[in-house]
Amino acid sequence: GAGVSQTPSNKVTEKGKYVELRCDPISGHTALYWYRQSLGQGPEFLIYFQGTGAADDSGLPNDRFFAVRPEGSVSTLKIQRTERGDSAVYLCASSPRVSGTQYFGPGTRLLVL
Amino acid sequence: LAKTTQPISMDSYEGQEVNITCSHNNIATNDYITWYQQFPSQGPRFIIQGYKTKVTNEVASLFIPADRKSSTLSLPRVSLSDTAVYYCLVGDRNSGAGSYQLTFGKGTKLSVIP
Repeated sequence: GAGVSQTPSNKVTEKGKYVELRCDPISGHTALYWYRQSLGQGPEFLIYFQGTGAADDSGLPNDRFFAVRPEGSVSTLKIQRTERGDSAVYLCASSPRVSGTQYFGPGTRLLVL
Repeated sequence: LAKTTQPISMDSYEGQEVNITCSHNNIATNDYITWYQQFPSQGPRFIIQGYKTKVTNEVASLFIPADRKSSTLSLPRVSLSDTAVYYCLVGDRNSGAGSYQLTFGKGTKLSVIP
């Protein structure tokens, strides 16, 4: 079946701009996660959704970052006033339940100039 | 969550067995050990998870000694397509590895040479 998909695959933006990154989880998966991966590092947890609500957003670096999942399926990660330090690969994962194996998408490569 | 230590990189020839060892001296009683694989330009992929002794699946084997302070991921007869970064994660099944907020280290970059 279809895996986790993320769009766009690449995003180039200028410092100060607003960006939205989209994640389509595997159908039926109730849990959805966002991670950020910098070059040469492992992924870092950002936020976790169970259904429509953000169950844990402790990994969001600051209030410029926000994520939504209004209908309990697709999720959007929103970054305001982007900074060059936000450049990274943003990974989305989903799992059938909170304790299940996480299935990752290919990521969105964000470059802030 | 317990911290893990693994080699930064390893090289291997095709057809050889590769063993990647991960140290987790502070592992807690209810912690599980999970390994993920990540190819370039892809997200991590779950390989195997275990609690003690030995676990085997179609991809790899995981060896965990009695004290559980380390674990070894074994990849039989590697091919060029096994070139990837391998991450060892340790955590409570309900609050770490196997659940949300996975904590990744830098991983081990395995390069398979023809």
